[in-house]
Amino acid sequence: QAVVTQEPSLTVSPGGTVTLTCGSSTGAVTSGHYPYWFQQKPGQAPRTLIYDTSIKHSWTPARFSGSLLGDKAALTLSGAQPEDEAEYYCLLSYGIGRPGVFGGGTKLTVL
Amino acid sequence: EVQLVESGGGLIQPGGSLRLSCAASGFSVSNNYMSWVRQAPGKGLEWVSGIYTGGNTFYADSVKGRFTISRDNSKNTLYLQMNSLRAEDTAVYFCARVNDDFDFWGQGTLVTVSS
Repeated sequence: QAVVTQEPSLTVSPGGTVTLTCGSSTGAVTSGHYPYWFQQKPGQAPRTLIYDTSIKHSWTPARFSGSLLGDKAALTLSGAQPEDEAEYYCLLSYGIGRPGVFGGGTKLTVL
Repeated sequence: EVQLVESGGGLIQPGGSLRLSCAASGFSVSNNYMSWVRQAPGKGLEWVSGIYTGGNTFYADSVKGRFTISRDNSKNTLYLQMNSLRAEDTAVYFCARVNDDFDFWGQGTLVTVSS
C-alpha cells in the first residue's frame, strides 16, 4: 500500500501564510489522485475543506486554497486565524474499488 | 438537513463481534457512495471500508475478511459488522458520505477492544 506523507507539524503567525504538502511514496501526486484536505479539531469529526485538488466546499473559508506544487499536493492558508489551529489531513485516491490513503496529518499551530 | 448518526460502539473483548450503525437523514444511503473511516486514540485517520451505489464494496487490508459493510435501504442506515476484533481495532469509527466530495461526516462512535 502507498504511504502518504505530510509535515508532522508547522507553525504560522496570525495573519501569515503557510503551505502544507502531501506526497506519495508511489511518485508524483497528480490530479488523478483527486487530493482531499480535511481539518480536524480536538474532539470533533473531520471537516472536508478541499476536494479534487482545489475545489472548495461552501463552508471552506476563502483563505484556504488547494493546488499541486511540484510533485505534491498542497494546502495553502493565507492570512491565518487563531481558529485555524488544528490537525490537517490529506487523502489520496489510488483507484476505484480501493480505499484511499490518508497522510499522517499536520498539526498546525497559529502562534 | 443532512445528518449522519453513528451508534453501536462500546467495550468488547478481543475476538468478539460488534455491529456499528450509521443512521442517515436528509438523503438516501442507497444513492450515495458511503464509507467508514476510523481513528485510533491519538492517531491519524484510516479509511476502513466503502460501499458504492451499485453495492460493490471494498476494504482496507487491515480489516479484510473480518469486517463487512452493508446498508439497509428501508432503514436508510449504513452498517459495519466487525468480527474477530483485535486490540488494534480500538478507534473512533466515523461514517461519511463520500461521492466526489466527502461532504458529510458523522460524529463517530468509540470501539474499545480490551480484556
